[in-house]
Amino acid sequence: EAAVTQSPRNKVTVTGGNVTLSCRQTNSHNYMYWYRQDTGHGLRLIHYSYGAGNLQIGDVPDGYKATRTTQEDFFLLLELASPSQTSLYFCASSGTSNTEVFFGKGTRLTVV
Amino acid sequence: QQKVQQSPESLIVPEGGMASLNCTSSDRNVDYFWWYRQHSGKSPKMLMSIFSNGEKEEGRFTVHLNKASLHTSLHIRDSQPSDSALYLCAASNNYAQGLTFGLGTRVSVFP
Repeated sequence: EAAVTQSPRNKVTVTGGNVTLSCRQTNSHNYMYWYRQDTGHGLRLIHYSYGAGNLQIGDVPDGYKATRTTQEDFFLLLELASPSQTSLYFCASSGTSNTEVFFGKGTRLTVV
Repeated sequence: QQKVQQSPESLIVPEGGMASLNCTSSDRNVDYFWWYRQHSGKSPKMLMSIFSNGEKEEGRFTVHLNKASLHTSLHIRDSQPSDSALYLCAASNNYAQGLTFGLGTRVSVFP
């Protein structure tokens, strides 16, 4: 079973605060993704990456930066957190040999 | 408007019954469809994928795809309480660029 590990699992920050969400996959997958999941909006793609050093913009990128430092590690940065960014964030990965996307357990972020 | 529309929003099914879920993409560029299942408090996990016209069966789950109408359906036969979950349809024309998900259908199976 493919492994995608997110940290922290829960985070509370204040408006204007700086937050980094971490994701590591040990599947040797090329592709990594950050999604947010909200009631009424579903799962939405924030940023994704084809490999180390590569970054692509997803459907809802405003207010987020991302960085892929290695094949394994993908980070999501919120430099000026706002209450609208309160959400459940999922990191995911997929490989070139099949199309299944494997999700981490999620990080619940609350911005107060 | 959601590019991937799912119906119904929710479904109540008796144990042993059949659940039928629908999904349509409004993006004509889409070529591939997936069904994911998300149990409460858990992450989504792929159930099935379908890329060609027709039908695909895996155990109690059957998916259909009509590429001309960009419509896929998922059917769960002999539903079990453990099938109670949020079912998400996803579509893409290039899975490496990420998937577009619908809002989901919440299925509740009662004993």
